[in-house]
Amino acid sequence: GENVEQHPSTLSVQEGDSAVIKCTYSDSASNYFPWYKQELGKRPQLIIDIRSNVGEKKDQRIAVTLNKTAKHFSLHITETQPEDSAVYFCAAYTSGTYKYIFGTGTRLKVLA
Amino acid sequence: DTGVSQNPRHKITKRGQNVTFRCDPISEHNRLYWYRQTLGQGPEFLTYFQNEAQLEKSRLLSDRFSAERPKGSFSTLEIQRTEQGDSAMYLCASSLASGSKDTQYFGPGTRLTVL
Repeated sequence: GENVEQHPSTLSVQEGDSAVIKCTYSDSASNYFPWYKQELGKRPQLIIDIRSNVGEKKDQRIAVTLNKTAKHFSLHITETQPEDSAVYFCAAYTSGTYKYIFGTGTRLKVLA
Repeated sequence: DTGVSQNPRHKITKRGQNVTFRCDPISEHNRLYWYRQTLGQGPEFLTYFQNEAQLEKSRLLSDRFSAERPKGSFSTLEIQRTEQGDSAMYLCASSLASGSKDTQYFGPGTRLTVL
């Protein structure tokens, strides 16, 4: 079946450093890629997304890049802050099937 | 609050009992999804609705699970004869489908514990 691999599973960075989380998807028909942040005990919150016709998108300290040929997409967080600590999930959406496939998550710890 | 809501937030039940969860999506959203999330994992797709029609069910969804969205608004997820392996967070999400983008907004989830 279709799947999304996400790495690393845990990531610790010093406050102010950058963090990068990578995902690889298997369904070449996937055309929309959101990223969610989930704090402990809370719902996943959409933080940024990208469509398949765009290679990069930036929103303040976060950016997402997409390489359709390699079926890779990545989340970049710059100038990390302690409040960025959470679990981050990538997902791949295919409009033909209306389904989202989620990655297994990355637990980010920003050390003050 | 105009976001997705779910009730109850927590449910503790004994093995073999039936449970029902409710999801109220964002009012104008036509798609509604159910997911299951276990500790340390991403949400796993269970089923989804386009308006009142249930369009797909995951193979994860055994015949003990049933979902409805009778009027295309709120949805219910019922689990019959619960098993300990059903313990998880059950998340609902809704979206307004638009072209290739189908941005989902999640509810707070219902945490099920089967004793």
